[in-house]
Amino acid sequence: EDQVTQSPEALRLQEGESSSLNCSYTVSGLRGLFWYRQDPGKGPEFLFTLYSAGEEKEKERLKATLTKKESFLHITAPKPEDSATYLCAVQASFNKFYFGSGTKLNVKP
Amino acid sequence: EAGVTQSPTHLIKTRGQQATLRCSPISGHTSVYWYQQALGLGLQFLLWYDEGEERNRGNFPPRFSGRQFPNYSSELNVNALELEDSALYLCASSLAQYNEQFFGPGTRLTVL
Repeated sequence: EDQVTQSPEALRLQEGESSSLNCSYTVSGLRGLFWYRQDPGKGPEFLFTLYSAGEEKEKERLKATLTKKESFLHITAPKPEDSATYLCAVQASFNKFYFGSGTKLNVKP
Repeated sequence: EAGVTQSPTHLIKTRGQQATLRCSPISGHTSVYWYQQALGLGLQFLLWYDEGEERNRGNFPPRFSGRQFPNYSSELNVNALELEDSALYLCASSLAQYNEQFFGPGTRLTVL
């Protein structure tokens, strides 16, 4: 069964304390893996697309990496404005998308 | 460039009624996706439209349906509303079927 699992469910960090979020997946025919940021009551905001194992993408304090079974979103020296829920999505065969349940990040000043 | 827009922002209905939600994709995007995000749950894939045709649907009953118009805008119809249909309904569009999706702000549907 195709599925996407994100961990941890919630993460509390002090400002400047770096950490990583995990997204593990089991899907048939992986087409791509996507990271989104979602603020409460709003639609997800696109961050990164990764297509193949070994690929890395960076944007400001965020860096996404991909292996054959999982992806990591590394947050370096986070700031309070990075607080949000981070979603991982996997695109499988027949253009079906599967979203993880997200990691709720809270960065305290 | 305008992003994905959805209307209405909020919608309140009672059990058994029908709801219609609307979505306008980013200009030039031909694929439109619908998702349901219930409280405490992740995004659940509902429907995918491309070039006016329904290409795929998630594990939802037939009372969830929709269509895509020639200008690529889309509407989602939910018939015979049930209490558990209360959720944030998100629309996303992509340039092509294998590209990243960009989301709208959502429609909050409340069924009383």
